[in-house]
Amino acid sequence: AAGVIQSPRHLIKEKRETATLKCYPIPRHDTVYWYQQGPGQDPQFLISFYEKMQSDKGSIPDRFSAQQFSDYHSELNMSSLELGDSALYFCASSLVGGSANYGYTFGSGTRLTVV
Amino acid sequence: AQTVTQSQPEMSVQEAETVTLSCTYDTSESDYYLFWYKQPPSRQMILVIRQEAYKQQNATENRFSVNFQKAAKSFSLKISDSQLGDAAMYFCAYRGDSNYQLIWGAGTKLIIKP
Repeated sequence: AAGVIQSPRHLIKEKRETATLKCYPIPRHDTVYWYQQGPGQDPQFLISFYEKMQSDKGSIPDRFSAQQFSDYHSELNMSSLELGDSALYFCASSLVGGSANYGYTFGSGTRLTVV
Repeated sequence: AQTVTQSQPEMSVQEAETVTLSCTYDTSESDYYLFWYKQPPSRQMILVIRQEAYKQQNATENRFSVNFQKAAKSFSLKISDSQLGDAAMYFCAYRGDSNYQLIWGAGTKLIIKP
């Protein structure tokens, strides 16, 4: 079965650089969520999109932006990277409403290292 | 605001034995969903089991079962016949009916002793 695809798996950037993370949800899933997980921490919600519109916003820095495209894939753009942005970034997708499945499927994550 | 609390930072169990991981939550919502996720060293986030709050029957998935006590706002995970592959971080998560983001507990590291 198709899963949530995230790319790249690993990314190394220097401070003040820009990074773009991509997420391809499960086909027919209409909602995408982005989470940031620092070392030894629980995931922190960043932002979500439902039907290509931003549906909820969490602790996402102003330096970050995200969008969901017409094919439902999503991109998280991170600018002016800081050492503290080093983390595992998860994307999850779900089908909201009209389905008994309220579970989320997570991608394998993108490990971002800022040096 | 909703909160999820996992009071056990680390638990260990002998292989083939049973272990219970605790989770409590706080909410004023009547409809919500609760999840247990497993995160092995690979850091993949894997759904273990989920429970809808309106269902009185405890969810079960093979060796994994929950004890859902809605009045007490408790949602513990029982792992029977523990296996070495069960070693991982286990996160309890909450999702309300009006807000689709997951609220996470701090996690419990489960160690399986051979």
